Amino acid sequence: DAKTTQPPSMDCAEGRAANLPCNHSTISGNEYVYWYRQIHSQGPQYIIHGLKNNETNEMASLIITEDRKSSTLILPHATLRDTAVYYCIVRVASGSRLTFGEGTQLTVNP
Amino acid sequence: GAVVSQHPSWVICKSGTSVKIECRSLDFQATTMFWYRQFPKQSLMLMATSNEGSKATYEQGVEKDKFLINHASLTLSTLTVTSAHPEDSSFYICSARDHQGWYDTEAFFGQGTRLTVV
Repeated sequence: DAKTTQPPSMDCAEGRAANLPCNHSTISGNEYVYWYRQIHSQGPQYIIHGLKNNETNEMASLIITEDRKSSTLILPHATLRDTAVYYCIVRVASGSRLTFGEGTQLTVNP
Repeated sequence: GAVVSQHPSWVICKSGTSVKIECRSLDFQATTMFWYRQFPKQSLMLMATSNEGSKATYEQGVEKDKFLINHASLTLSTLTVTSAHPEDSSFYICSARDHQGWYDTEAFFGQGTRLTVV
């Protein structure tokens, strides 16, 4: 699975959009971009995934660049409960493993 | 999303004893289950992958005789930490997917089990 690079930490004001970047320059054509988050002392929570089109669900939006070498997870109106470590993971859809990097610690401030 | 339940949420055991952690998929059949370990301020590290009815595949450096994994049914996998030592104290997390041929779900995670060996 391709390696991803994320900033170690980010801050966001409550109510504002949080934009979390991820670089995956070695992504292959059959690899998807997945986003998970982990709130302190809990198991990771699935957020969203995509292949090449932008995706949106009730939690977030995923914007993937045309060359697919980077993506951005957008939380449109961040709340204090969105404070967590966010992991960007690239893998083949039928692949069995999820390899977690260090992720981005997002802190939403009041 | 689908629900994966782990039990217990936390456990304290004496050094040298064994501890069993259960992972259940509550509303789907998990053909594949994964076990992770997470030390404080670190990311999740995959320990092993198990498919229902077959032996688990362990990651390099993980002792299969120490961390026994059983995936005997499509809804239950267990991880037994044998002869636990203080250095085994960690946060253990399971995840599960339904993967059958063309159909594949994203992985869903349990809430984790905090193991403390004293």
